[in-house]
Amino acid sequence: AQKVTQAQTEISVVEKEDVTLDCVYETRDTTYYLFWYKQPPSGELVFLIRRNSFDEQNEISGRYSWNFQKSTSSFNFTITASQVVDSAVYFCALSVNSGNTPLVFGKGTRLSVIA
Amino acid sequence: SAVISQKPSRDICQRGTSLTIQCQVDSQVTMMFWYRQQPGQSLTLIATANQGSEATYESGFVIDKFPISRPNLTFSTLTVSNMSPEDSSIYLCSASFDRGYTFGSGTRLTVV
Repeated sequence: AQKVTQAQTEISVVEKEDVTLDCVYETRDTTYYLFWYKQPPSGELVFLIRRNSFDEQNEISGRYSWNFQKSTSSFNFTITASQVVDSAVYFCALSVNSGNTPLVFGKGTRLSVIA
Repeated sequence: SAVISQKPSRDICQRGTSLTIQCQVDSQVTMMFWYRQQPGQSLTLIATANQGSEATYESGFVIDKFPISRPNLTFSTLTVSNMSPEDSSIYLCSASFDRGYTFGSGTRLTVV
């Protein structure tokens, strides 16, 4: 069975600080996909990134970056120079056999960025 | 990327009644998934809906309470039956595409 752990329930930072959201996953499958989603107060889920298990290259998209380390089964998400608009709940999720199986979500991390 | 239209976006319902939530996808998909998100919680999978067969329910969810229809490759409905205040949640549908999973905008249900 798959499992995703987001140990940080809530994080509060001051605007312009950097913040890292942790994600640890468990799966016995060798092929799997990792995701991050943002859920702002309005409730919709916004897709941020997908990585497959064969691609450990870190990725940067603007102020967002992701660090995938198979050795520690982690897929951490860093926001640089945080902004108030980054305040949301962030979910890490995992799927195997992408497309035919549902996502397994972590419990989410609520990020509050204070002006 | 694909778009899922979900409605209603919110509703307030009396206990004992039923509500049907609809999701329309703008392209054909094989599998659709229904999730429940209770207040302050993560997403919990209710069932997987494959066109042409009965939905597969997760432990703790039963067809009598959450009947699902999947009449074609672009549409699905979830009914929340005989509602109680404990059913107050956000319900989301989802489908998978090349780059990931797309979600409907959610139905915020309040049962009074």
